[in-house]
Amino acid sequence: NAGVTQTPKFQVLKTGQSMTLQCAQDMNHEYMSWYRQDPGMGLRLIHYSVGAGITDQGEVPNGYNVSRSTTEDFPLRLLSAAPSQTSVYFCASSSGPTPTSPLHFGNGTRLTVT
Amino acid sequence: EDQVTQSPEALRLQEGESSSLNCSYTVSGLRGLFWYRQDPGKGPEFLFTLYSAGEEKEKERLKATLTKKESFLHITAPKPEDSATYLCLCSSGSARQLTFGSGTQLTVLP
Repeated sequence: NAGVTQTPKFQVLKTGQSMTLQCAQDMNHEYMSWYRQDPGMGLRLIHYSVGAGITDQGEVPNGYNVSRSTTEDFPLRLLSAAPSQTSVYFCASSSGPTPTSPLHFGNGTRLTVT
Repeated sequence: EDQVTQSPEALRLQEGESSSLNCSYTVSGLRGLFWYRQDPGKGPEFLFTLYSAGEEKEKERLKATLTKKESFLHITAPKPEDSATYLCLCSSGSARQLTFGSGTQLTVLP
């Protein structure tokens, strides 16, 4: 059972480039979400989805887009990368609507924007 | 604004030396408090959920407790493999209202 799979593990972008961070889960979870983790700070919610076709903004959504066409996949798009987006990105899923269901995390994508 | 503060930021223990990590929160309408363990280069791994003051959960050498203002993660006779960063997450209200602490980096020396 793979759980939550994120690709790629590492990525280097130049300022202004675009890319998509992939996230897939095989647990049939309705809730999926994206976070960024920066040194000295807690994980911060970027975007989340409570089911296919439904997405909403989290705490730090600017510069990021998401879509949810299937239950399994929840990609995160950076349209024009900026150095401030250098971070480690985590995708997570949950079997029920938070706030009472634990999140299951992927192993992250380390992104560097130069 | 919801706030979650973890202390200490870093903790070094000798193997077998018991201690506690703290998660202090100011959250409107706490629905659940979660503890996670994070190893370097990995995603957070779920440990416990606590829902109401007075609740306790145990798993091997770890025990989590909850009051109306804070949660403690007690580590009894830790081993080097317990070395990791421990994260606290508070959830309130909607699916959007999730607040993480910045974590406690625990190192257990053999």
